[in-house]
Amino acid sequence: DGGITQSPKYLFRKEGQNVTLSCEQNLNHDAMYWYRQDPGQGLRLIYYSQIVNDFQKGDIAEGYSVSREKKESFPLTVTSAQKNPTAFYLCASSIKIRETQYFGPGTRLLVL
Amino acid sequence: KNQVEQSPQSLIILEGKNCTLQCNYTVSPFSNLRWYKQDTGRGPVSLTIMTFSENTKSNGRYTATLDADTKQSSLHITASQLSDSASYICVVSAGNAGNMLTFGGGTRLMVKP
Repeated sequence: DGGITQSPKYLFRKEGQNVTLSCEQNLNHDAMYWYRQDPGQGLRLIYYSQIVNDFQKGDIAEGYSVSREKKESFPLTVTSAQKNPTAFYLCASSIKIRETQYFGPGTRLLVL
Repeated sequence: KNQVEQSPQSLIILEGKNCTLQCNYTVSPFSNLRWYKQDTGRGPVSLTIMTFSENTKSNGRYTATLDADTKQSSLHITASQLSDSASYICVVSAGNAGNMLTFGGGTRLMVKP
């Protein structure tokens, strides 16, 4: 998992609640990413950030929000607008955009 | 639409045997192809990266091949070990603006003693 941490490992969300997943890296990487992984499916990009104070929507951004106020941190908020949030969420970083990505250990989000 | 298809979806082999996983892609323009290993409940870890001009690349018991003409890649695992049990994900990068990574659905490999 090399220098990328995600917390918590498991997260439970109640109906109508916003929850925030943490992602921190100490690799001095410029680019960071959030993916969602559902059983039997490939990873799908939610948001990515090329540099501090910049982020772009991925393929499935609806119901999610991010911020990139610090180089080492890229938190993901799952809002109440995301109707099917149960999934495994993976954060990744790379030296620059499009370089090899290094993944964190993941956060499993479950809905109560 | 860019797509990456992997086969088989799942595979069971005996410890010590070899196996080959397949990846077909329709990503254009092609930039590079990566193979990742993902243990259950963990994040993927990069095994190899291959560019257009590379045909074969090895990383220990893992050997990846790339045929850019037929848009196919394979990952060959030699003398499998129990610790090879994982999902193997093929990821293709497009050579244009933006992130543009397309992930395959993965092959779930189980190595039995």
